[in-house]
Amino acid sequence: DAKTTQPPSMDCAEGRAANLPCNHSTISGNEYVYWYRQIHSQGPQYIIHGLKNNETNEMASLIITEDRKSSTLILPHATLRDTAVYYCIVRVATSGGSYIPTFGRGTSLIVHP
Amino acid sequence: NAGVTQTPKFQVLKTGQSMTLQCAQDMNHNSMYWYRQDPGMGLRLIYYSASEGTTDKGEVPNGYNVSRLNKREFSLRLESAAPSQTSVYFCASWSGQGINEQYFGPGTRLTVT
Repeated sequence: DAKTTQPPSMDCAEGRAANLPCNHSTISGNEYVYWYRQIHSQGPQYIIHGLKNNETNEMASLIITEDRKSSTLILPHATLRDTAVYYCIVRVATSGGSYIPTFGRGTSLIVHP
Repeated sequence: NAGVTQTPKFQVLKTGQSMTLQCAQDMNHNSMYWYRQDPGMGLRLIYYSASEGTTDKGEVPNGYNVSRLNKREFSLRLESAAPSQTSVYFCASWSGQGINEQYFGPGTRLTVT
């Protein structure tokens, strides 16, 4: 799986949009971009994933650049409860047990009042 | 549907003691994983099981053993605990198919004195 690079920390005002970047310049054509978050000491939680089109769900939006070398996770109206570490991962769609996900240090997002 | 459950939630051991961390999932997933997370760090893979009856080492397997008891359960054993194994341990599962996401348990906080 391709390597990802994320800023170690960011902050955002409550009610504003939080835009979390991720670089994945060596991504392959069949690799998806996934985002997870980990709220203080809990297990990571899946947020969203995409291949090349922008995606939106009830939690967030994912914007992937046309060359797919970077992406941005958008929390449109951040709340204090969104304070967490956010992980960006790229991986292929695969069957069987060959998928070994790798989590780096992620981005620590602090949402302040 | 409880997802991924882990027991115990907290544990304190003395150096040299042994214990087993239990993990179970009720989603009929094929693959299961054990990670550890040290303060301020990402998750590091200890062992994984691609399917029932198979186990493989991850990034940091030394000092641990695992058992895939059946499709639902994947246990992690510390035979002789060391202070360096003080960490938060997360179990995760994945369906083993396509682009489905991983699911994580709530974690076990282990302190070895």
